[in-house]
This record gives sequence, structure tokens and C-alpha cells, in this order.
Amino acid sequence: AQKVTQAQTEISVVEKEDVTLDCVYETRDTTYYLFWYKQPPSGELVFLIRRNSFDEQNEISGRYSWNFQKSTSSFNFTITASQVVDSAVYFCALSEGGSQGNLIFGKGTKLSVKP
Amino acid sequence: EAGVTQSPTHLIKTRGQQATLRCSPISGHTSVYWYQQALGLGLQFLLWYDEGEERNRGNFPPRFSGRQFPNYSSELNVNALELEDSALYLCASSLGEDQPQHFGDGTRLSIL
Repeated sequence: AQKVTQAQTEISVVEKEDVTLDCVYETRDTTYYLFWYKQPPSGELVFLIRRNSFDEQNEISGRYSWNFQKSTSSFNFTITASQVVDSAVYFCALSEGGSQGNLIFGKGTKLSVKP
Repeated sequence: EAGVTQSPTHLIKTRGQQATLRCSPISGHTSVYWYQQALGLGLQFLLWYDEGEERNRGNFPPRFSGRQFPNYSSELNVNALELEDSALYLCASSLGEDQPQHFGDGTRLSIL
């Protein structure tokens, strides 16, 4: 069965600190996709990144970086030099290849960045 | 480019009534997905439509149903509303399976 675990329910940091959000997934498929979404207080889910299971390269986009490690079934997300605008709930999600369509979401990590 | 649009923003109903939620996908997207975000339950997959057909549904009772129109917009219908149906209902669209899903702002359904 597929599952996504975000063990950190809430994290609070002070502006300019680096913060890492953990995501561990379970799947029996060899082809799958991993995603991160951001949900600010306004409610809409904002797509951040998609990774397929065959691409273990780390990715950096500005202050955001992602570390995908198949050996530990983890897809962690790091925000460097956090800002107040980064405050949101962050969701990690899994989609298995093979036309199921649905995303399986973790419970989310609420990040609060204080000035 | 317009994003995914959902209407209404808020909907208040009473137990036993029926609710209809609407979603317009991003232009060019043929797949539409519905999710329920209820307090304490997280984001749960409801339905996936592609090219007018239901492709997959989550673990929800049959009173949750929907359809996709020829212009790829979609409706979610919830019959015989129950208190636990109170939630934020999110619609997403994508270019196809396994492509990133882009979400709308949601419809907040409150059951009194």
C-alpha cells in the first residue's frame, strides 16, 4: 500500500534560519512521482516540484532545494534563509505510475516563520 | 493564463440537502480531480475525470458523484448531505495522468 509520512506536524523558525521538511514515502511501484505543494493561509494549494522515481538528482530553485533518496524512501525539502512569506502548510504527495490519477498526500507540516 | 476556478467560494447547506460544486480547469487541461480536505483527515482523493469519463474514485460513498463536460469543466455533486461532509473541496487539473496537478482555491462546504 502507498503512504506518505510527514512526521513534523509543526515547525517554528525565526526569519533567515534554514529549515528542512521531511517526507518519507512507501510504494511497491518502481515508477512513481513525488510532489511538494504549499498551502498558504489563503487556502489554495501551490505546486512546487515534481520528481519521478528514475531521477534522483537533487534540485535547487532559488531558496528551495529538494533531496530525493530512494535508498531511504525520502524526499526532503529545504528552505534556505526562510522568510515570513514562507509561512504555510507544506504537503508532500505521491502518485504511482499506471493511471491511478490520484495524489496521496501526507498530513502536512505547518511552518511558521517569525520575524 | 487563468488558473483553475471553482464556484461557489462558500456553500452552506443543511443535513439531507444536495450540493453542487463547479470547477473550470486550466485551458488545455483535460484531466480534472476532486479532493476533500476535512479537519483532521487531511487531503483525500475523491474523483478523477479525463476526456469526459470517470477514471478513478477514492474511498467515498456513492452519494459523492460528478461529471465532466465536453469543455472539460466538471461538477461534483454530494447528495444526502451529512455533518461530516463539511470540508474544503479542492479541484485540480492537469495535462494528463502523472502530470503536476494545479489546484483551485476550493469551495468551503458547511453543513448545519
